[in-house]
Amino acid sequence: DADVTQTPRNRITKTGKRIMLECSQTKGHDRMYWYRQDPGLGLRLIYYSFDVKDINKGEISDGYSVSRQAQAKFSLSLESAIPNQTALYFCATSDPLGQGGGETQYFGPGTRLLVL
Amino acid sequence: GQSLEQPSEVTAVEGAIVQINCTYQTSGFYGLSWYQQHDGGAPTFLSYNALDGLEETGRFSSFLSRSDSYGYLLLQELQMKDSASYFCAVGQAGTALIFGKGTTLSVSS
Repeated sequence: DADVTQTPRNRITKTGKRIMLECSQTKGHDRMYWYRQDPGLGLRLIYYSFDVKDINKGEISDGYSVSRQAQAKFSLSLESAIPNQTALYFCATSDPLGQGGGETQYFGPGTRLLVL
Repeated sequence: GQSLEQPSEVTAVEGAIVQINCTYQTSGFYGLSWYQQHDGGAPTFLSYNALDGLEETGRFSSFLSRSDSYGYLLLQELQMKDSASYFCAVGQAGTALIFGKGTTLSVSS
C-alpha cells in the first residue's frame, strides 16, 4: 500500500463549486503539506502543518483552506473553485533528516483538478 | 523574500555528464535539497546538503557553497531514464521547503 494517498486522483468541477481534496499517510509523520504544480512554475506551497494543532499559510493560500483532522489526514478545500485553480495538487509529508536540520518530503501521487 | 533560480531546460546524450545549477536567496537557510520528478509522477527525494561540499550517491552528486548561495546537482553516466524534471529546494528554520521552478532534463541516445 502507498504511504501517502490522495483522493480523488482526478476531478472535474465547475466554477463556484466547493470541493475537497483529501490526503492520508501511514508514515507516522507529524508534518504535512499541500502544493500545487503548474507547468513552468514548479511546486508552490499552499498550506502546511507541523502537527495536528498547527496550520500555516504558504505562498499561495488565497482561495484555499485546510483541515488537519488527525496526524494522518490533511484535507485541502476550495470554497468556490475558479478556472485558474486548475492544476496538479500534491500532498506531502516529511521526516526531519536529523543532524543539520532539513527534511525529506514524501509526496502523494497527485490530484489533477480541472475547473470549468 | 525567498527566491531560487535554476535553468528551465538542459539536454544531454546518454553516457554524458550534466550539471544543474541552483542559486538561492533566503533567510534562515539550513540546507539545499534536490528532487526528481518523472513526467506524470510525484517528486521523489534525491539528496540533501547542509554543509559546504560534495555529497555523492551513486551516479548523482550534489554540491553546496553556502558563502555563494549556490549549489548544483551532477548526474554522471546519463541514462534515458534520467530524463525528468529536477527541483532544488531550500529549507528554512521553522517553515516548509520552498521549491525552484524546476529543470527539465532531456537525455537522448
